[in-house]
Amino acid sequence: GAVVSQHPSWVICKSGTSVKIECRSLDFQATTMFWYRQFPKQSLMLMATSNEGSKATYEQGVEKDKFLINHASLTLSTLTVTSAHPEDSSFYICSASPLSREAFEQFFGPGTRLTVL
Amino acid sequence: GENVEQHPSTLSVQEGDSAVIKCTYSDSASNYFPWYKQELGKRPQLIIDIRSNVGEKKDQRIAVTLNKTAKHFSLHITETQPEDSAVYFCAASPPSLGGKLIFGQGTELSVKP
Repeated sequence: GAVVSQHPSWVICKSGTSVKIECRSLDFQATTMFWYRQFPKQSLMLMATSNEGSKATYEQGVEKDKFLINHASLTLSTLTVTSAHPEDSSFYICSASPLSREAFEQFFGPGTRLTVL
Repeated sequence: GENVEQHPSTLSVQEGDSAVIKCTYSDSASNYFPWYKQELGKRPQLIIDIRSNVGEKKDQRIAVTLNKTAKHFSLHITETQPEDSAVYFCAASPPSLGGKLIFGQGTELSVKP
């Protein structure tokens, strides 16, 4: 149980285009989903927290107009990187907290590797 | 806010030896401490966690200890195997952050056969 999927697993795009990443909880409902970014050989950096039906909360220094987050249902959250640039190239990982568990347990998706040319 | 420091950044051990990774945290209200294992290019996987009302937890070759007074917790892996090689992250969760995890910097563990 507690499986989280992400799509796509990797994407290459041209500078200036937008990319959408989906995060789904497959066998549970998630009160909260989190979006992280991870650069090579570094730790996970939290970008934003999203709750179903409400606006996402962004961490300091993360541009909310560049990284659009939509949490449309208890099983789906999307991250759209708008007008992507090479410096946005990174490994993006989502996580989800099950409704049925205590709020702080998080299960991670497999990640999406974004390369912006 | 909460800050988590993790040491060492790299650790190399011989197969069969034990490995210990240590983390310290700053917010005494933190009450949940998970450990994740991340293999290259893959998702972090929860390997063990501990809550603040428990001092030690063990799962086969893996154990975690928590010292709330000193605000540090440690991961212990016994009888290491080459497949234990990965990056390990500790994290802390203060109630004030509504479920967010604050991660340590990671430890790259290498187990040599």
